[in-house]
Amino acid sequence: RKEVEQDPGPFNVPEGATVAFNCTYSNSASQSFFWYRQDCRKEPKLLMSVYSSGNEDGRFTAQLNRASQYISLLIRDSKLSDSATYLCVVNIELEAGTALIFGKGTTLSVSS
Amino acid sequence: DGGITQSPKYLFRKEGQNVTLSCEQNLNHDAMYWYRQDPGQGLRLIYYSQIVNDFQKGDIAEGYSVSREKKESFPLTVTSAQKNPTAFYLCASTDRALSGGGLNEQFFGPGTRLTVL
Repeated sequence: RKEVEQDPGPFNVPEGATVAFNCTYSNSASQSFFWYRQDCRKEPKLLMSVYSSGNEDGRFTAQLNRASQYISLLIRDSKLSDSATYLCVVNIELEAGTALIFGKGTTLSVSS
Repeated sequence: DGGITQSPKYLFRKEGQNVTLSCEQNLNHDAMYWYRQDPGQGLRLIYYSQIVNDFQKGDIAEGYSVSREKKESFPLTVTSAQKNPTAFYLCASTDRALSGGGLNEQFFGPGTRLTVL
C-alpha cells in the first residue's frame, strides 16, 4: 500500500566519482517527493525536494518520473563528506491527514 | 533559533516501566509526528497529529500513547505493552498539508535512543 523501495547499497566509490541512486514508490497519488540525508546516529535532514521538471542543487540532481513512479538522485564529483545514508521520501494520504513515507535508505561511502 | 528539541538524548528503561519522551517545537507548525527507527531499517510512523487536541495512530501504534495539549508539544509514552521498545525515536513537524495534496518537508528533532535493560 505504501512502499518506497530503494537500491539496497552500500555504494562504495572513490572521491570524484559520479553515483546515482534510484527509488520507486507504489502510491500513484503521492505529490511530494524528497531526498533526505541521514548521518550515522543522527536525525534525517532534507537534502532536496524533487520536482516534476527535475531540479539541481550544485553537485546534486534529482529527477522524478511520475508515469513510472520513479525518483533518482545523481551526485557528481563525490566528496568524502557525502558519505551518509540517503533516504527517498514521498507523501501519502492517511485516514486523518498527510504523512511522509521513508525508504530504508541507501548507504554511500566515499573514500580517498 | 527555531527548531525541534527532544529529550532525553539517551534513555534506559527497565522492563515493565513506562517512559515518556519529550518533543517540543517552536516553528509554529501544526502537524507533528513520531517515528521509530531500528538498525538498518527505515522510519516507521507511530503516531501523528495534524492539530492540537487531535492525533491518529500510525503503522505501529501498539504499546505507545501520545497527547497534543499544546501546539508546540507532542510527548510520546512508551508503555510496558510495547514488547520491543529498544530503538531510535524521532519526532518531526511540518506546516499544514499543501492545498491540493502533498506535504511540505518535515523537520526532525535530534532523536532519543531508548534502551530497555
